[in-house]
Amino acid sequence: EAGVAQSPRYKIIEKRQSVAFWCNPISGHATLYWYQQILGQGPKLLIQFQNNGVVDDSQLPKDRFSAERLKGVDSTLKIQPAKLEDSAVYLCASSLGGAINEQFFGPGTRLTVL
Amino acid sequence: QKEVEQDPGPLSVPEGAIVSLNCTYSNSAFQYFMWYRQYSRKGPELLMYTYSSGNKEDGRFTAQVDKSSKYISLFIRDSQPSDSATYLCAMSGSGTYKYIFGTGTRLKVLA
Repeated sequence: EAGVAQSPRYKIIEKRQSVAFWCNPISGHATLYWYQQILGQGPKLLIQFQNNGVVDDSQLPKDRFSAERLKGVDSTLKIQPAKLEDSAVYLCASSLGGAINEQFFGPGTRLTVL
Repeated sequence: QKEVEQDPGPLSVPEGAIVSLNCTYSNSAFQYFMWYRQYSRKGPELLMYTYSSGNKEDGRFTAQVDKSSKYISLFIRDSQPSDSATYLCAMSGSGTYKYIFGTGTRLKVLA
């Protein structure tokens, strides 16, 4: 079974530039998550999709971050304009549901904002 | 106060040692307790999960949950250099898919 795919793996941009990340979840997983993991911290949920609808985006900085999940499969996360404090690893995860709802994580995209 | 507290380490132990990793939490609504392992430059992978209180064992790993103390632990027996990673605890409430993660404890097992 193929895992969660993310691209690019690394991205370096200057502040005020824009950037987009792409995620392809495990086939059949209805729920998709984007997390932000700052160095030395645990992942923080930015947004959760159920199919192509948003379930939770309470911690997404909506003035600069946006995300979409077209057709309930792939998803993109965009930052525009980027700030220095956005430097982090952006993790995508997907899950099938059920009681434990195990979340499977991709390798992440490491973003550096200069 | 953070919902989930975890000592960031780093924790260095000799090969073969028993390792104890811990998290405390404040939200009594948490029902599911997970331990994820994250190798450098990789995404987290689920090691173990426990529902409500009690112990669960899987090979060299044992997870314990004490809901009365709001305290969870992960024990690693006969630790190996390949166990060197960051260990993240995560928790969620019943009926919600939202995980709250600890900061992670960095573990290094010395050969």
